[in-house]
Amino acid sequence: KAGVTQTPRYLIKTRGQQVTLSCSPISGHRSVSWYQQTPGQGLQFLFEYFSETQRNKGNFPGRFSGRQFSNSRSEMNVSTLELGDSALYLCASSLFRTDTQYFGPGTRLTVL
Amino acid sequence: GESVGLHLPTLSVQEGDNSIINCAYSNSASDYFIWYKQESGKGPQFIIDIRSNMDKRQGQRVTVLLNKTVKHLSLQIAATQPGDSAVYFCAENMSGGTSYGKLTFGQGTILTVHP
Repeated sequence: KAGVTQTPRYLIKTRGQQVTLSCSPISGHRSVSWYQQTPGQGLQFLFEYFSETQRNKGNFPGRFSGRQFSNSRSEMNVSTLELGDSALYLCASSLFRTDTQYFGPGTRLTVL
Repeated sequence: GESVGLHLPTLSVQEGDNSIINCAYSNSASDYFIWYKQESGKGPQFIIDIRSNMDKRQGQRVTVLLNKTVKHLSLQIAATQPGDSAVYFCAENMSGGTSYGKLTFGQGTILTVHP
């Protein structure tokens, strides 16, 4: 069974731009969570989607948003990019909300 | 200004030794714990998990111990191999309410295995 896939793998943007990252969960998984990983803050939870609805949200500004489609694929969007948004963005999927989360390889975002 | 990164604990072992990686978790209400391994340039890889109704769980070459009294989790790797070199994270989750789907991660431990 294919794992979690994320596209693109690498992205370079400039301040003020916006970006959309995509995540395809493991087939049959219905819950998708997003995390930000930086050297300074470690791994931090962004939000979780289940059945096309955001169920949980971390402590990030409103510039960070996401959505989930009927096939469980998810996207996250960051608007008005700041230098501090440079990070590895990780997507994880699980069968249901209480199950083990399996991570994708991440999207490395660099903001110049 | 100068950026300050997390100072991750490090563990260096010789190939064939047993490794023990420790983690103190923060929320006494957490009831699900997971260990992940992250190699350079990759996403975290699931190793083993344990729920709060257990205090020990074994997998292939790995054992997780949970001590709820002191909120401590450990990962034991038997016969450590160079391929085990990575950053290891513990994560906790509290089922119910608004915590579903949200993992809280520890800072990580860098394991280096010398041949």
